[in-house]
Amino acid sequence: NAGVTQTPKFQVLKTGQSMTLQCAQDMNHNSMYWYRQDPGMGLRLIYYSASEGTTDKGEVPNGYNVSRLNKREFSLRLESAAPSQTSVYFCASSDFIYEQFFGPGTRLTVL
Amino acid sequence: AQSVTQLDSQVPVFEEAPVELRCNYSSSVSVYLFWYVQYPNQGLQLLLKYLSGSTLVKGINGFEAEFNKSQTSFHLRKPSVHISDTAEYFCAVSPKAAGNKLTFGGGTRVLVKP
Repeated sequence: NAGVTQTPKFQVLKTGQSMTLQCAQDMNHNSMYWYRQDPGMGLRLIYYSASEGTTDKGEVPNGYNVSRLNKREFSLRLESAAPSQTSVYFCASSDFIYEQFFGPGTRLTVL
Repeated sequence: AQSVTQLDSQVPVFEEAPVELRCNYSSSVSVYLFWYVQYPNQGLQLLLKYLSGSTLVKGINGFEAEFNKSQTSFHLRKPSVHISDTAEYFCAVSPKAAGNKLTFGGGTRVLVKP
């Protein structure tokens, strides 16, 4: 039981490049989330998916798109990366409102 | 909308001493409250949560927190810390009507010194 897995762990992009961050969970959870973590700002919600087939914007969705591929997988895409998107990205999943389970994170640097 | 303020960005503490991490929140609706911990280079894991009932909540690793509705606070405490408690701690809230959406505070880094 791996919990929530994320790939890649590290990535360096040049401004304007695109990439997709992958997330998968094996806990049969309905809800999945993408957050970004910046120093002093805690975690901010980018997008979430309450159930398979649905996605909604969070607090900071600009510059990102998501796909809920199936119940297990939830990907985050940067179409044209900008230096302001340099951050640590976390995926999480939950089945109840009481606890979210987090992946290990992806550290992204945009030059 | 909700907001969460963690009043201390860093807290140095000696091993076996007590520690308190302060959290205040603002919300126009009723909320659930959480504390998460992030060890170096890892994701977050839940320490404890307040949903309803007793305002004193006990969590894992000897931590506890007290919900104070009148002061809109949810401070985290541990009576005696260990080196292994060195981590970043995040307070978070979610509205009871839409409990899936967490709003986090800025975090408090705890550095336990020998």
